[in-house]
Amino acid sequence: DAGVTQSPTHLIKTRGQQVTLRCSPKSGHDTVSWYQQALGQGPQFIFQYYEEEERQRGNFPDRFSGHQFPNYSSELNVNALLLGDSALYLCASSLTAQGQALEKLFFGSGTQLSVL
Amino acid sequence: RKEVEQDPGPFNVPEGATVAFNCTYSNSASQSFFWYRQDCRKEPKLLMSVYSSGNEDGRFTAQLNRASQYISLLIRDSKLSDSATYLCVVTGYSSASKIIFGSGTRLSIRP
Repeated sequence: DAGVTQSPTHLIKTRGQQVTLRCSPKSGHDTVSWYQQALGQGPQFIFQYYEEEERQRGNFPDRFSGHQFPNYSSELNVNALLLGDSALYLCASSLTAQGQALEKLFFGSGTQLSVL
Repeated sequence: RKEVEQDPGPFNVPEGATVAFNCTYSNSASQSFFWYRQDCRKEPKLLMSVYSSGNEDGRFTAQLNRASQYISLLIRDSKLSDSATYLCVVTGYSSASKIIFGSGTRLSIRP
């Protein structure tokens, strides 16, 4: 039973560039959430995707966008990278049914993004 | 005020000790509560859910106090392997509710 997988594991970019991070949810899960975790901080909610639509969004600028595919996998895109975007980006999957979360969040091991 | 607040620690306690820490939340409509554990440079992993009646899992006990809007985690007979950051998570009833993490409490168990 495959867990949540993310790619790449590490990425180095320069200011102003764009980046795409990828996530495959745990088998049987249909909901994907993205988090940004800066060093020494808790994960900050970016947004959640369900049925290929953004269902909830945290306090992140429009530079952060995402997508969910029919197979439930998801991408996080960040445009015009800033130094402050350097962080661990975590993807978490869960299962939704009748508007209720049937399973808790399961996290991938994350993508460490460094912006120089 | 942050939506979910935790004492960042670090809590440095000897092996075998009992340690407890709290997490406060600001949204009285919050419905679901969890404790996650995160090891250094690893992803968070679910430790336990927190129910209104409280729940226990081996050496770990979680409690919810709705009136004062806090949850707690108690670890008895602490082991070296308990050293980690413990994240408090608060969300609403619906799966569409935002899931808010605290900043985490660092726990270090010394021999």
